[in-house]
Amino acid sequence: KNQVEQSPQSLIILEGKNCTLQCNYTVSPFSNLRWYKQDTGRGPVSLTIMTFSENTKSNGRYTATLDADTKQSSLHITASQLSDSASYICVVTTRGGGNKLTFGTGTQLKVEL
Amino acid sequence: EAGVVQSPRYKIIEKKQPVAFWCNPISGHNTLYWYLQNLGQGPELLIRYENEEAVDDSQLPKDRFSAERLKGVDSTLKIQPAELGDSAVYLCASSLEPINEQFFGPGTRLTVL
Repeated sequence: KNQVEQSPQSLIILEGKNCTLQCNYTVSPFSNLRWYKQDTGRGPVSLTIMTFSENTKSNGRYTATLDADTKQSSLHITASQLSDSASYICVVTTRGGGNKLTFGTGTQLKVEL
Repeated sequence: EAGVVQSPRYKIIEKKQPVAFWCNPISGHNTLYWYLQNLGQGPELLIRYENEEAVDDSQLPKDRFSAERLKGVDSTLKIQPAELGDSAVYLCASSLEPINEQFFGPGTRLTVL
């Protein structure tokens, strides 16, 4: 069964600090992996997308990594800001068959002063 | 350019009542998705349309849920009758083609009393 597991479930950090969120998946066949940010009361917004051959992808203060061999990904947030408080969802797309998405349950991040 | 539009944003109904949600996708996107998201969970696909055809409705509880996408643009999702367990956020998303990035609307938060 295709699954995406994320850790930690929730995280509280101080403003300005860095943090790393983890994602493990068993989705096959693999097409791509996205990290989404979902603010409270909003729909998810894509931060990064990585295909099989990509190891790292950056979007401003967000850097995602992918190890396709171990089926692991991480999202590193540098110099966190209060506006980073949100749920971060790892989403893996299967190749073919309508490109089905498997969503993780998300990591709830709270950045405090 | 406007994103995915959903209405209403919030809906409170009593159990056994009907309810309908509306979605207007991004112009030109031929693929439309309806997701259900419970609190603290990732979105779960209910139905996917390619133009006006429902190509994946395997997770749609057809005894009480129905959807339509007339003319391949706007879509409505209906629940009749609603049950307490239907309380959730209903997200609509669209993409240019199934392989492309999905853009999400803000969702409709349904509360069934």
